Amino acid sequence: GESVGLHLPTLSVQEGDNSIINCAYSNSASDYFIWYKQESGKGPQFIIDIRSNMDKRQGQRVTVLLNKTVKHLSLQIAATQPGDSAVYFCAESRTALIFGKGTTLSVSS
Amino acid sequence: DAGVIQSPRHEVTEMGQEVTLRCKPISGHNSLFWYRQTMMRGLELLIYFNNNVPIDDSGMPEDRFSAKMPNASFSTLKIQPSEPRDSAVYFCASSYMNTEAFFGQGTRLTVV
Repeated sequence: GESVGLHLPTLSVQEGDNSIINCAYSNSASDYFIWYKQESGKGPQFIIDIRSNMDKRQGQRVTVLLNKTVKHLSLQIAATQPGDSAVYFCAESRTALIFGKGTTLSVSS
Repeated sequence: DAGVIQSPRHEVTEMGQEVTLRCKPISGHNSLFWYRQTMMRGLELLIYFNNNVPIDDSGMPEDRFSAKMPNASFSTLKIQPSEPRDSAVYFCASSYMNTEAFFGQGTRLTVV
């Protein structure tokens, strides 16, 4: 069936390292993808998005890569900081956002 | 803009009682979504509206759940009667056309 999933439930990195969070999706017709960050006690917060006519998009310290051939999405965070510690979700947007389970990123100093 | 506003932030109620969650979307947004978040099931889409019209309610768990959007600036999610398994954080989100959705702070519901 259609679903959006993440490869790993947790990721631990050292401050200053680069982080890579992965996501697989199953619907080849999906044309819009979003990464969200959720901190404890808060709602998901938009990080970056990408449409299916692109394979890479960069923001401030973040890069999203889209591989439509294998239906894979990744979020790269450069120079990870303690403030990046949170749960990260990928979401697939058809008519409404469908979320994966989330990856908990822990950053140690 | 104050963002998506949800109320109450926390709700504790007894099993069998009616619960009403409220949402004010961002002005100008034409889509509104209700999600439920639990540890076991993650973020689940319950229902979404486009231009105040319910488009897809296939995620609503059962007939005890209902949602309305009487106008572009207000929506409610009602559970009647509530059950302990309804305990979760309920999020409202809004968006404009097919762009990113902005989430409220959520309502933490506890049914005892």
